[in-house]
Amino acid sequence: EIVLTQSPATLSVSPGEGATLSCRASQSVNRNFAWYQQKPGQAPRLLIYGASTGATGIPARFVASGSGTEFTLTITSLQSEDFAVYYCQQYNNWPLTFGGGTKVEIK
Amino acid sequence: EVQLLESGGGLVQPGGSLSLSCAASGFTFRNYAMTWVRQAPGKGLEWVSIISGSGDNTYYTDSMKGRFTISRDNSKNTLYLQLNSLGADDTAVYYCAKGSSSWYFPYFDYWGQGALVTVSS
Repeated sequence: EIVLTQSPATLSVSPGEGATLSCRASQSVNRNFAWYQQKPGQAPRLLIYGASTGATGIPARFVASGSGTEFTLTITSLQSEDFAVYYCQQYNNWPLTFGGGTKVEIK
Repeated sequence: EVQLLESGGGLVQPGGSLSLSCAASGFTFRNYAMTWVRQAPGKGLEWVSIISGSGDNTYYTDSMKGRFTISRDNSKNTLYLQLNSLGADDTAVYYCAKGSSSWYFPYFDYWGQGALVTVSS
């Protein structure tokens, strides 16, 4: 099973600032990698797939990169609606796995 | 507009069973794999199971293999999850989600709002 390790667990950021989230895979997942956003009481929402492609309707301030075992999600100029938990997911191998999440909170 | 609506959640005693459903609309259901993902209270996402668009292929996380059964009825545009031998650690919100492809290694582009399953005596 591929283990995804997200860091940091919590990120405190002021509105308008940028934030960089990381996810490391225990073995290569190529670019079969996604990011999801989850707000309290809501279902997850797909942000990024293919390691760097934005899903439909996702603002351009969400920028993702990486391949193999190292991936990053950068949110430039955080808006109030961006404070949430972010999960990474690999879909290169069975079983599909999620990272433990990074909570982006207001500083 | 893609919509996924889960039902069937509730309170069940330890060792009991429950069946979840997910009614899908807004896309050609048979063309896409469907999955269940769960989230225990205050915890992260845990992938449970997946079924191919045709229903011929399934995969489960090891810890749920043999206890949970995923199925689908393409004539009713509905996904199912049968949960048996439930324990307290199965307490979670169970989400259904649409895969991006018919089978191999999809990401999940649309999610339902979830069904809460509580296992308690």
